[in-house]
Amino acid sequence: EPEVTQTPSHQVTQMGQEVILRCVPISNHLYFYWYRQILGQKVEFLVSFYNNEISEKSEIFDDQFSVERPDGSNFTLKIRSTKLEDSAMYFCASRDPGGANQPQHFGDGTRLSIL
Amino acid sequence: AQSVSQHNHHVILSEAASLELGCNYSYGGTVNLFWYVQYPGQHLQLLLKYFSGDPLVKGIKGFEAEFIKSKFSFNLRKPSVQWSDTAEYFCAVNSYNTDKLIFGTGTRLQVFP
Repeated sequence: EPEVTQTPSHQVTQMGQEVILRCVPISNHLYFYWYRQILGQKVEFLVSFYNNEISEKSEIFDDQFSVERPDGSNFTLKIRSTKLEDSAMYFCASRDPGGANQPQHFGDGTRLSIL
Repeated sequence: AQSVSQHNHHVILSEAASLELGCNYSYGGTVNLFWYVQYPGQHLQLLLKYFSGDPLVKGIKGFEAEFIKSKFSFNLRKPSVQWSDTAEYFCAVNSYNTDKLIFGTGTRLQVFP
C-alpha cells in the first residue's frame, strides 16, 4: 500500500534557527496537509495545500511558517526563527481528489525538538 | 467552531472483552466522520469513515461505528478485542466545505492477554 513518507524522523534545532520538514505524499494525491501534535495535546490542523497554493490555514500558521511543493514529489514545511513552543510532532497527510469525505493518509511524523 | 470530544482517555481491557469508545462532535452542518488508529511507533491509519448512507459503518479489523445524528455521536465498537488492538484511537471530523480534520484528544487502549 502506498505511503506518505516524512523526513527526518527526529529533528533537533536551536531556538531561532530555521528548519525544513519534508514530506513525500502518495503519488496520485493532489491535496496536502500539515498537522502538529504538541506533547499531551490534540492533533491540530496547520495548513492545507492544493494546486500550488494554500487552501486553508489555521491561526497557528502565521508568518513564521511556509509551505512549498518545490517539485512533483516533495511537500515541505518551513519554520523560520523557531521557538521553544514549536516543539511537537509534525504530521504530513495527503488525499486523492474525491472530495472531503476521502480519507487523509498520514506519514509517521517528524518529532521536532527546539532547544 | 467545530470540536470533537473523546471522553475516554485511557481504557484497559482483557482480551475478548467488548469495546466502545465515545466520540461526540459539535457542528451544525453536514459532516464527515473518521476513526483513525495509531499503533505504537506507526502512523495514523484509517479504521473507518462515515459520510452518508447507512449510519452503521464497518471498518477494518472487526471495528464498527454508529453515527447518531441526534446525539452528535460517532462511537467506535468492537465486540471482542485482541491484544493487537492496543493502540491510540482518534476520532476526527470535517465537513463538505472545509476538509481540515478536527481531532479529538485520542483514547489510549491497552488490551491484556
